[in-house]
Order: sequence, then C-alpha cells, then structure tokens
Amino acid sequence: DQQVKQNSPSLSVQEGRISILNCDYTNSMFDYFLWYKKYPAEGPTFLISISSIKDKNEDGRFTVFLNKSAKHLSLHIVPSQPGDSAVYFCAFGSGAGSYQLTFGKGTKLSVIP
Amino acid sequence: NAGVTQTPKFRVLKTGQSMTLLCAQDMNHEYMYWYRQDPGMGLRLIHYSVGEGTTAKGEVPDGYNVSRLKKQNFLLGLESAAPSQTSVYFCASKRQAGKSGNTIYFGEGSWLTVV
Repeated sequence: DQQVKQNSPSLSVQEGRISILNCDYTNSMFDYFLWYKKYPAEGPTFLISISSIKDKNEDGRFTVFLNKSAKHLSLHIVPSQPGDSAVYFCAFGSGAGSYQLTFGKGTKLSVIP
Repeated sequence: NAGVTQTPKFRVLKTGQSMTLLCAQDMNHEYMYWYRQDPGMGLRLIHYSVGEGTTAKGEVPDGYNVSRLKKQNFLLGLESAAPSQTSVYFCASKRQAGKSGNTIYFGEGSWLTVV
C-alpha cells in the first residue's frame, strides 16, 4: 500500500522556465514534508521543508506548496538552471521528532540549456 | 564538516560472501538509518537505530543485520550476499528532536555489486 506517490519519473524543462515536481500522499498522519535533491554518485541532500501548519515555504528559487485537503505536495523551481538537473525525492514524516521518513520514488529533472 | 561517512564506497562480492558496511557520523545524532536505492524503487529503509545499543527493522530488512555499539557508528552486515542485494546503500542520521528534527542527513553512498 503506497503511502506516497511521485508519479512522474522524469521531467524536462528549458532553462529559465519553471519546474514543477509533484507528490501525492494518503497518510493523514503526515505532518512534516521535505524535498531532497540527489546528484549522480552522491547522497541525497536536504533542499526545503514545510510543516502542516503552513501551505507555502519559500527559499530563494525554491518554493514548496502543501495542499492538505488534496494531500498534495509540490516543489516549484523558478527560474530553472542546468545545475538543478538531478533526482528529486519528496519525503514525509509524522509526529514531533518522529524517527522515520517515507520517501517517494523520485523524479529525474533535466534542465535543458 | 565530515557529516555522515560511509566505507567502503565500492565493493564487488561473490554470492555467499559476507561483508560489513560502516557508517560514522560526527554530528552527535541519536537516530541512524540504512537505506538502499534501486532503479524505480526510490529509497527503502533497511534497518534503523534510535540510539546506542538499539536497532529496529525497516521496510526491507531480510538478509541484513545491523549493530549500533557506539552512538557515532552504525554497521550494516550482509551475512551471505545475494545478487538481489546489488544496490546503492545510503547511511543517514538525524538528531532526536528540535526545529529541524525531521531532517535526515545522508552519506555519499556505497555501491555494492554481488556477482
């Protein structure tokens, strides 16, 4: 039973345009939401997060949106740059200080110069 | 900052051989994890530890054992390697609680091939 669905395995975007990555979840207990970025031959690195009390969090070119009623999480990158080409994982946690995160399967973003 | 360090980075094993992956973190984190990443499968949790001397099973624990004898180290063992264990293994750690308590920090990965 998949609690998290990251349905787009890949996405191609022109440099300078907006990249939108999406995840859907089913577990109502999730209350902390994160995005990780992974380059080839490296470990995933934390990118941005949002708690359930917010619906938007912005950090430079990266904005995470949370729609709790639709159980939908998205990441917007604008403007997209070639260095943003990587695999992006959404991740979900529940409970204050909870010890586990549930990860999506990842979306490979390619930003074309 | 070293962060989370994994050794070895690459290893080729024959079916039936055993080996241990070592993970070390210098951030004084309570929680440590071993994940594997396979094409189209994302990150799957193998085992985790919520503190020194404790371990617990994750989503895909079969064929692996772990130990957390020291807070800073988390070992992943393969007793009898199988080709299905060919994967990229990531160690990770997280502090117990706090503002960024849910952020997990990953090592750079260990590439294991079982032939």
